Amino acid sequence: DGGITQSPKYLFRKEGQNVTLSCEQNLNHDAMYWYRQDPGQGLRLIYYSQIVNDFQKGDIAEGYSVSREKKESFPLTVTSAQKNPTAFYLCASRETARRLPQHFGDGTRLSIL
Amino acid sequence: DQQVKQNSPSLSVQEGRISILNCDYTNSMFDYFLWYKKYPAEGPTFLISISSIKDKNEDGRFTVFLNKSAKHLSLHIVPSQPGDSAVYFCAASRINNNDMRFGAGTRLTVKP
Repeated sequence: DGGITQSPKYLFRKEGQNVTLSCEQNLNHDAMYWYRQDPGQGLRLIYYSQIVNDFQKGDIAEGYSVSREKKESFPLTVTSAQKNPTAFYLCASRETARRLPQHFGDGTRLSIL
Repeated sequence: DQQVKQNSPSLSVQEGRISILNCDYTNSMFDYFLWYKKYPAEGPTFLISISSIKDKNEDGRFTVFLNKSAKHLSLHIVPSQPGDSAVYFCAASRINNNDMRFGAGTRLTVKP
């Protein structure tokens, strides 16, 4: 079964701690995306990657970092510089950056202890 | 800047009736529009899309209408079923661009 797997489903972070959210896809998609969802708001783009070893900032990249060392993996690190990290994080992928629609994982809910 | 707006945070309809979800956008450069459905604690699932060269696209019970002059699109669900109860997100994109914008979502409740 092809799809996008995000783990963990729930994550708790202490103040001042970095945490990494995992996103793996077996769809052989080139492009991958990270979004953040807050209550009453649409999804906002954090980072995206069109190809391995390349990634670009989205609208709200401050306090986040990513890597794309393998085609199937696009982990997101929420650093201590992100002052309001509590949110629902969604990973998505597309066959290529120009091919819609994009497909989403089931998300990770991050909370601050 | 909210380039895509869903002005109704919630909608309640009776089973068997029509559900109409609305979406407005401001950027005339958008040329591809999508609707996603989301259940709690799950990721959005692609539902239906429409290119700007069309004004209607139909898939079973779901129809999306696009009015480019008004920068407005709508999703019609006929007949509505209790399983349709979810949050629906409208999204707009430029097909050769990574810039996809989402509305805030409309929570649809279909009552038996």
